[in-house]
Amino acid sequence: QSVLTQPPSVSAAPGQKVTISCSGSNSNVGINYVSWYQQFPGTAPKVIIYDSDKRASGIPDRFSASKSGASTTLAITGLQTGDEADYYCGTWDNSLSAEVFGGGTKLTVL
Amino acid sequence: EVQLVESGGGFVQPGGSLRLSCAASGFTFSDHYMDWVRQAPGKGLEWVGRSRSRAHGSTTEYAASVKGRFTISRDESKNSVYVQMNSLQTEDTAVYYCTTDYFQHWGQGSLVTVSS
Repeated sequence: QSVLTQPPSVSAAPGQKVTISCSGSNSNVGINYVSWYQQFPGTAPKVIIYDSDKRASGIPDRFSASKSGASTTLAITGLQTGDEADYYCGTWDNSLSAEVFGGGTKLTVL
Repeated sequence: EVQLVESGGGFVQPGGSLRLSCAASGFTFSDHYMDWVRQAPGKGLEWVGRSRSRAHGSTTEYAASVKGRFTISRDESKNSVYVQMNSLQTEDTAVYYCTTDYFQHWGQGSLVTVSS
């Protein structure tokens, strides 16, 4: 199992809001910046959020993230069918001296 | 524009070796960390290891699952980073991605298949 815990799947209707949680510990999320990645089938991941809450270049403001303690949450508002993808959180773990990722969350836009 | 191009993937038998290359362009290679991340078929992302820049001691870090079997190196003259993979096991089968700038930029990936 992954060091960071994400729900396997989330779903919502077009236009609605969805949140994806990422839970870690005081050796990773609690003390380091977190990034969020979006991955479409057959393609490389793309960073959408870095430094816990900064949107990467070209990412619309429908995407946002917040962090509280050892957990972080990605929020996507105004859902579009094109947002259907896998989403991963990732950060450095000071105890493991390793980058760690969540197991990924599959977003379905119904 | 940052570009990362992996090469060297392929089919190898268990216990075999393979070296992946990643050619970088569009940025000052010597100033940047380079990471390898892999993704087994139908699975999530797994960090493989990191090569730090010269300014940070040119050190490397590895995931526990590959430590002692994989070696990451870089050639500043060729703007390239490599991962030498030895004692490959079936569970090493994955697409291997080269990334930089703390995962801001990714290559297209190179598939490694370990099977008898």
